[in-house]
Amino acid sequence: QVALKESGPALVEPTQTLTLTCTFSGFSLSTSAMRVSWIRQPPGKALEWLARIGWDDDKLYSTSLKTRLTISKDTSKNQVVLTMTNMDPVDTATYYCARDVVYIGGYYYYYYMDVWGKGTTVTVSS
Amino acid sequence: EIVLTQSPGTLSLFPGERATLSCRASQSVSSSYLVWYQQKPGQAPRLLIYGASIRATGIPDRFSGSGSRTDFTLTISRLEPEDFAVYYCQQYGSSPLYSFGQGTKLEIK
Repeated sequence: QVALKESGPALVEPTQTLTLTCTFSGFSLSTSAMRVSWIRQPPGKALEWLARIGWDDDKLYSTSLKTRLTISKDTSKNQVVLTMTNMDPVDTATYYCARDVVYIGGYYYYYYMDVWGKGTTVTVSS
Repeated sequence: EIVLTQSPGTLSLFPGERATLSCRASQSVSSSYLVWYQQKPGQAPRLLIYGASIRATGIPDRFSGSGSRTDFTLTISRLEPEDFAVYYCQQYGSSPLYSFGQGTKLEIK
């Protein structure tokens, strides 16, 4: 059974660096077509995708946040780590990790995030 | 940049009624890259539909997706009490690589 769980500090001060860990089970990030994405959701607002790392160590970042984000993986530990620098109160949000799948069906490639962690809430405040 | 606009912002219906939720893209999106999620208060999003019309595993057949290019629709044929939630569409593959709509809140009338 696939499961993901986010962990990290609940409170971060402005200008600090946030480090979040996604620990997963039920799949391997060394398997072809497997990826893990990070998504966040400010209170009462919509979802925002942040970054993705793939089985081949390919990394993608949100255009608007890429200067502040770093994503990495430890395949042996089944973990993906996201760091976000220079935190600001507007970064207050629930941060989710999700399994991000490429499925080949016939002639088509389908992309979707099929299993999500429960999320971890991060507040940025002094 | 592709922007997804969902409408209406809030939809108030009775259980048993049919719900039609819209997701409009500012540029053409490949149908195989259009996804719908359901999110209930205090919970993570749940995958409903991928490829614009393919139900994810375990999703009841009262949920259906349709559309192409810039106009996509999520339909719930007969609303059950557990269907009242926020629904998001999402696209892959075009700048930005991933984007979500702002969500439609489906509430009990």
